[in-house]
Amino acid sequence: DVKVTQSSRYLVKRTGEKVFLECVQDMDHENMFWYRQDPGLGLRLIYFSYDVKMKEKGDIPEGYSVSREKKERFSLILESASTNQTSMYLCASSPGTLASTDTQYFGPGTRLTVL
Amino acid sequence: LAKTTQPISMDSYEGQEVNITCSHNNIATNDYITWYQQFPSQGPRFIIQGYKTKVTNEVASLFIPADRKSSTLSLPRVSLSDTAVYYCLVGDKGNQGGKLIFGQGTELSVKP
Repeated sequence: DVKVTQSSRYLVKRTGEKVFLECVQDMDHENMFWYRQDPGLGLRLIYFSYDVKMKEKGDIPEGYSVSREKKERFSLILESASTNQTSMYLCASSPGTLASTDTQYFGPGTRLTVL
Repeated sequence: LAKTTQPISMDSYEGQEVNITCSHNNIATNDYITWYQQFPSQGPRFIIQGYKTKVTNEVASLFIPADRKSSTLSLPRVSLSDTAVYYCLVGDKGNQGGKLIFGQGTELSVKP
């Protein structure tokens, strides 16, 4: 079974702090994604990556950056956390553009609270 | 990328068949239709995917009419454990790294 793990289930940070959210997948997937989920808004794509060192902006990239130095790891960085970034953050991976399916496999999520 | 519209919430009782319809009027030729299920405090989980006509697996069936402007997820004989949010997505498997767009989803509540 594909396993996507996220470094923390719950995280509390203060305004202005730099925050790192780590995601690791163990199935050699090409694509990795970061979403945030808020009540009434569903899941919104922040960034995605289709190869090592490659990244593309999603729908709401402002205030975030990402890093993919190794294929299995995709990090989401909040350079200076703000209260409006309090949310559930979900990481996902999928096989790749040449795969027969683009099924995305999700991690358990990190609930981030910014005080 | 095609936008999807689905009901915000639905109620059902154990043992009933539940049909959730999703509208995607601007679906492109290369787009596939995918449904995910999400339980509280968990990430979404893939349920079923199709391109046209009907697809069935051990969990659900997916009905897609010829014009592909809508699709219906059918859950046979639901149980309490089927209470979850169900997301309908359309996306192109070949481009943009498999980028998919999640809408608000349908919150299904199954009652005893």
